[in-house]
Amino acid sequence: EAGVAQSPRYKIIEKRQSVAFWCNPISGHATLYWYQQILGQGPKLLIQFQNNGVVDDSQLPKDRFSAERLKGVDSTLKIQPAKLEDSAVYLCASRRWGGASDTQYFGPGTRLTVL
Amino acid sequence: SQQGEEDPQALSIQEGENATMNCSYKTSINNLQWYRQNSGRGLVHLILIRSNEREKHSGRLRVTLDTSKKSSSLLITASRAADTASYFCATQRNSGGTSYGKLTFGQGTILTVHP
Repeated sequence: EAGVAQSPRYKIIEKRQSVAFWCNPISGHATLYWYQQILGQGPKLLIQFQNNGVVDDSQLPKDRFSAERLKGVDSTLKIQPAKLEDSAVYLCASRRWGGASDTQYFGPGTRLTVL
Repeated sequence: SQQGEEDPQALSIQEGENATMNCSYKTSINNLQWYRQNSGRGLVHLILIRSNEREKHSGRLRVTLDTSKKSSSLLITASRAADTASYFCATQRNSGGTSYGKLTFGQGTILTVHP
């Protein structure tokens, strides 16, 4: 079974520029998550999709961050404009919908550096 | 906000020794999960313990959960250099509705196993 795919793996941008990350979850996984992990901290949930609908975006800075999941499969996360404090690893995870205890599978992440 | 707090922040041991990491959390949970993260393989799920369980084993891993103290511990026995990584606890609350399945991660413990 192929894992969660993310691209790019690394991105360096100047502040105020825009950036987009892509995630392809495990086939058949209805739930998709985007996490932000700042160096030295644990991952923090930004947004959760169930199929192509948003079910939790309470911690997403909506003035600059946006995300979509077209057709309930791939997802993109965008930052516009980026700030220095957005430097972090952005992790995508997916989970098969079937109960509270299903495991989340994480992709390798995209490491963003904002200069 | 981060729910879990892990202790110690860093742990350095020799190969063959046991490693114990602790996690405390603040609110009632449905289950608690432990993840490992290293640069080579990203964030990997290790073990899940439900709120009605007290102890669980998986290979060299032993997890305990004390819901009265809102704490958990992860024991890695006979450690190997390959166990060198960051270890995170993550809690899942069964609040129903939109937050179902959401994980809240702790800050992590950095484990270094010396050959």
